[in-house]
Amino acid sequence: ETGVTQTPRHLVMGMTNKKSLKCEQHLGHNAMYWYKQSAKKPLELMFVYSLEERVENNSVPSRFSPECPNSSHLFLHLHTLQPEDSALYLCASSSAGDGNYGYTFGSGTRLTVV
Amino acid sequence: RKEVEQDPGPFNVPEGATVAFNCTYSNSASQSFFWYRQDCRKEPKLLMSVYSSGNEDGRFTAQLNRASQYISLLIRDSKLSDSATYLCVVLAPNTDKLIFGTGTRLQVFP
Repeated sequence: ETGVTQTPRHLVMGMTNKKSLKCEQHLGHNAMYWYKQSAKKPLELMFVYSLEERVENNSVPSRFSPECPNSSHLFLHLHTLQPEDSALYLCASSSAGDGNYGYTFGSGTRLTVV
Repeated sequence: RKEVEQDPGPFNVPEGATVAFNCTYSNSASQSFFWYRQDCRKEPKLLMSVYSSGNEDGRFTAQLNRASQYISLLIRDSKLSDSATYLCVVLAPNTDKLIFGTGTRLQVFP
């Protein structure tokens, strides 16, 4: 079991639904990240939160909306998604300023948009 | 040019073989480098950091060539359990952002 927990593990949603992905870390880290992993593509950084402030938004469509209520929790709110948004969504955490130590990833949420 | 470039493979090797993966990165100011391992349908996990002097961890050896902006991973005496995708990862300068390559798939057969 990793120190980063993501729920749900699998999600199937229609294009008109609204759902949220949840991430929780128990490592005392203060930076959290959302990545998208699609088939045959590198992991794409979506959002970065450092010390609970969003410091990066990589031109992600507004149908993805992150929320970081505290340093241990990160959400990704989804609405009116498209089939091409089907992917593995990975949450990660690290100690801000200690990128030299890499990230710890959660197990991911495998999202299918129908 | 991609920020981090890897040969996607797959590399199919017999047990006991030695296999090497290469990776190039585009930003010469990058300072920190890693290899991650990702098993099928699982999350990436840190395999090892890559240091300027090169480093070894059991059967795994990582090398960095700053002049050529090139990173390598050598696996000796391959095991079936080494079958996975190996991700080359670079820390973007002056940030905490990790930039991932597409990964190189390794399949070790009996």
